[in-house]
Amino acid sequence: NAGVTQTPKFQVLKTGQSMTLQCAQDMNHNSMYWYRQDPGMGLRLIYYSASEGTTDKGEVPNGYNVSRLNKREFSLRLESAAPSQTSVYFCASSEGGRGIQYFGAGTRLSVL
Amino acid sequence: QKEVEQDPGPLSVPEGAIVSLNCTYSNSAFQYFMWYRQYSRKGPELLMYTYSSGNKEDGRFTAQVDKSSKYISLFIRDSQPSDSATYLCAIEGGNKLVFGAGTILRVKS
Repeated sequence: NAGVTQTPKFQVLKTGQSMTLQCAQDMNHNSMYWYRQDPGMGLRLIYYSASEGTTDKGEVPNGYNVSRLNKREFSLRLESAAPSQTSVYFCASSEGGRGIQYFGAGTRLSVL
Repeated sequence: QKEVEQDPGPLSVPEGAIVSLNCTYSNSAFQYFMWYRQYSRKGPELLMYTYSSGNKEDGRFTAQVDKSSKYISLFIRDSQPSDSATYLCAIEGGNKLVFGAGTILRVKS
């Protein structure tokens, strides 16, 4: 039972480079989320998808784009990476907006 | 003012101590309250889930909600070194979860 799978686990980028973080869940959940976690800041919501075909901005969406590819997959794209985007990124999924969220293991991103 | 406030610690206690972790929130419309535990270099995992005011117990863990004071707590009895982790409170607001900053707990053997 894989749950929520994130790839890659680690990534180092140079300023201005682009990359896509991948997330897939096998729990048939409707809702999926992308968070970033920084020391002392907790988890901050970047984007979420309440259901297949919909996406909405969270608390810190600037510099990011998302795609809900299908019910299982939700990707996060950095078009032009900046040092301020150095963080740990977590993907999560839930049955619905008020449901318990299940998290992946995270992607550790450094932007130099 | 943040919607959810949580003291980041770190909190260091001896093995066997009773630990109290707390969060305050600002929106009285919040109804669902959760505690997540996050081990180092891992994703958060759900520890406790409560809906109403009062206490909910699960083994050595007790979650307490006081809606009148907008205050939630997690108590850990007989703390163990394996309880060393970051504990995040999470409160449902507008079909999304709002997380506290997380409290780092270290239990010394």
